[in-house]
Parts: sequence; C-alpha cells; structure tokens
Amino acid sequence: GAGVSQSPSNKVTEKGKDVELRCDPISGHTALYWYRQSLGQGLEFLIYFQGNSAPDKSGLPSDRFSAERTGGSVSTLTIQRTQQEDSAVYLCASSEPWGANTGELFFGEGSRLTVL
Amino acid sequence: AQKVTQAQTEISVVEKEDVTLDCVYETRDTTYYLFWYKQPPSGELVFLIRRNSFDEQNEISGRYSWNFQKSTSSFNFTITASQVVDSAVYFCALRTGGSYIPTFGRGTSLIVHP
Repeated sequence: GAGVSQSPSNKVTEKGKDVELRCDPISGHTALYWYRQSLGQGLEFLIYFQGNSAPDKSGLPSDRFSAERTGGSVSTLTIQRTQQEDSAVYLCASSEPWGANTGELFFGEGSRLTVL
Repeated sequence: AQKVTQAQTEISVVEKEDVTLDCVYETRDTTYYLFWYKQPPSGELVFLIRRNSFDEQNEISGRYSWNFQKSTSSFNFTITASQVVDSAVYFCALRTGGSYIPTFGRGTSLIVHP
C-alpha cells in the first residue's frame, strides 16, 4: 500500500508475555519513528531510526522495550514481560530524508495493545 | 528543552460555530518548525500544516487558518464555520532545527455537534 502499515491493529496479551509490533513504512522514507499514545497523555516519543541505525532511543521507557529496523525498511518494536502500564496505542511514523521535505510525518493507524 | 502546551483538553461546539485551538511552545532555538496534525476517530494522524520560525505569515486554507505569533510563542488554529467532520483530536508539534524528533502537545479533542 501507499501508506504506513502497522500490525497487528489490536493485541490483547497477558501480563508477563512478550509482544512484537511491526511497522512497514512508506517506501523510500529513511526516517522512522515510534510513538506511544496513552489516554489523555498525548504522543510520547519512543525511538527514532535513520536508515537501520537508531541515533535516538531516549524515549524507550525501560529496558523491556527494544526496537530494530532491517533493510532500512520494516521495524519491529518488542516489549518483553509486558505490564499493565504498557497498555496504549503504539504509533509508527515515517518521513522522507531530512532536507528533502518539510519534516512532515506520515503515521500508521497504530497498534492497540491491551495487557490484562 | 522543547515543550508544547495545548491547554484545552476538550472543546465542544455546535456546527457552524467558529473555534480556535490554542498552542503555546517553548524553545531556545532560533530555527524551529511548528506543525498541526488531525487525528479523526479512525485513529490515523494526518498532517495539516507546517510553519518555520522565519515565516510569521498567517495562512488560510479554506475554513482553516493559522495564526503564528513569535512574540507570544503561539501557533493557534482556527476553524471557521465548524462541521461535524471536523470532530477529531488535534495535535500541535514542534521540531527544533537541531533535532529530528518532533515534540507533540497532549492534543485537543474537538467535538462538533450537529
């Protein structure tokens, strides 16, 4: 498709389980972002990729969170030993190479994670 | 450090009313970019507008207009003659010239009643 694709759209898991969330950005977009959206909390930055490297991981809330990006394209956000406070919508966004555009982010529809 | 404040959590209006969504930002950088995004009930955030710090010209696009004032560090968004389809959460965001990471406000939920 033409847009940012995220899967799964919904995930319900039990506390303590690991989950993987996938993001397929727009083709050619070298920048990729993960944000977390909790009720009433706005968008919380998690991690930023430029190509396959992650120059900014400052937003990852704990060492249970990790992310990787392969081939400069698909990214996976992994949450280990999930906790109830991890319940949120995880948003992925991509952007054209810096300098080539306005800095506009293109967002996916998000993955809603519910930890029971 | 950079910060975006959207003090209005929720606004409720009746169709055809005008409504202004406030955005106040903080940054020490002289080069920065401001954005507005719309998140309809379907969930996907959609880009509306970008403004850079060197361009204080206000912009109008149909029923939408944006008022950028560096003197008050504000970038407010006005919808004229609101419609039910304008119901959404609106986010203001700031990216400084030296950073690749946009900082978002908490969003303002706009509800337009028929």
